Amino acid sequence: DARVTQTPRHKVTEMGQEVTMRCQPILGHNTVFWYRQTMMQGLELLAYFRNRAPLDDSGMPKDRFSAEMPDATLATLKIQPSEPRDSAVYFCASGFSFNSPLHFGNGTRLTVT
Amino acid sequence: DQQVKQNSPSLSVQEGRISILNCDYTNSMFDYFLWYKKYPAEGPTFLISISSIKDKNEDGRFTVFLNKSAKHLSLHIVPSQPGDSAVYFCETCKAAGNKLTFGGGTRVLVKP
Repeated sequence: DARVTQTPRHKVTEMGQEVTMRCQPILGHNTVFWYRQTMMQGLELLAYFRNRAPLDDSGMPKDRFSAEMPDATLATLKIQPSEPRDSAVYFCASGFSFNSPLHFGNGTRLTVT
Repeated sequence: DQQVKQNSPSLSVQEGRISILNCDYTNSMFDYFLWYKKYPAEGPTFLISISSIKDKNEDGRFTVFLNKSAKHLSLHIVPSQPGDSAVYFCETCKAAGNKLTFGGGTRVLVKP
């Protein structure tokens, strides 16, 4: 049963530190998404890729967040420098197309102190 | 500007009864709609979907209804079971323009 794998599952860091979250999408999926879940805002889209090309990252704070897909098996979301307001659960999801169900990883819970 | 709204943040229902979750959207160009279920400490999992050419889709205990004129989507779970206790998200898609939007979620509690 293919799954989206996210690492780490939990990350605690101090304000100002760099955080890198990784995602291995399901083999064969050509769309990859990064979402953030906070208590107040549900699932917030940060960025997405199709065939490894970034299509939209308008949901990300540009000055501190960056998302990349160095190859088809790895997507990364980086925060530098991190701030306490970045504390949330970050989900990666992959799919075949925009009209197909997304497969989510189990998330990275980030705590910035 | 929230294009997709789930106006009920929570819902409590007795086991065996019907759970009805609602989702409203503003963009008439959305053409595919999905529901996901999320348990704590896990990612959302796909539950059921419907395209804009239909007004109903059924899968076991789960039925999704689409009212395009009202821009309204609903999920019916009947009969509700304690294992259905989770957060449910609706998602809307617009393939042309590559647009995906999630609602804010509804937490369902099914009481035994």
